[in-house]
Amino acid sequence: DTEVTQTPKHLVMGMTNKKSLKCEQHMGHRAMYWYKQKAKKPPELMFVYSYEKLSINESVPSRFSPECPNSSLLNLHLHALQPEDSALYLCASSQVGSPLHFGNGTRLTVT
Amino acid sequence: QKEVEQNSGPLSVPEGAIASLNCTYSDRGSQSFFWYRQYSGKSPELIMSIYSNGDKEDGRFTAQLNKASQYVSLLIRDSQPSDSATYLCAVDVNNAGNMLTFGGGTRLMVKP
Repeated sequence: DTEVTQTPKHLVMGMTNKKSLKCEQHMGHRAMYWYKQKAKKPPELMFVYSYEKLSINESVPSRFSPECPNSSLLNLHLHALQPEDSALYLCASSQVGSPLHFGNGTRLTVT
Repeated sequence: QKEVEQNSGPLSVPEGAIASLNCTYSDRGSQSFFWYRQYSGKSPELIMSIYSNGDKEDGRFTAQLNKASQYVSLLIRDSQPSDSATYLCAVDVNNAGNMLTFGGGTRLMVKP
């Protein structure tokens, strides 16, 4: 079991849809992350929030929009995605300067 | 471009043997290093972290770090079939604890 909870576990969306991925942690971690992982590839960093402020954006297209409403929640809003955006989206959290702990991920399919 | 390199494998070892996984990194200033295990279709799970040169042991796992040679390794003693997974080496490339670069992963197969 993981202490970082991601919903939904699976998501299928069309290219014109708007959807959101959600992530929640109650470990008191002040850094939260979004990673994207394609099949048989390593995770790639998308965004980092530190103390609820966006601190790193790895040149991610604007069709991905992160949001951190409070220290326990992290959202990723999706709009006008492309089929190549289909991947496993991983949320992680950590104390600043400590190892990351990943959620179980959301497997996204864009049709 | 800061890089982390691993042999993709698969690395096949018999049950009970020692599995040795290796990783090299390009940024000499990196200070924090991590090993994650990822089962197929699952998320990465932290196995070990290491910050100083030398060995760090935790149960059947030993991480080894050599900053001069820019490599980090993971030894798994008494390998079990349940250890079969992809092992990801990760390096904190900006030393602020918030920006991991992952290697491509090594797939380990432990045969009964």
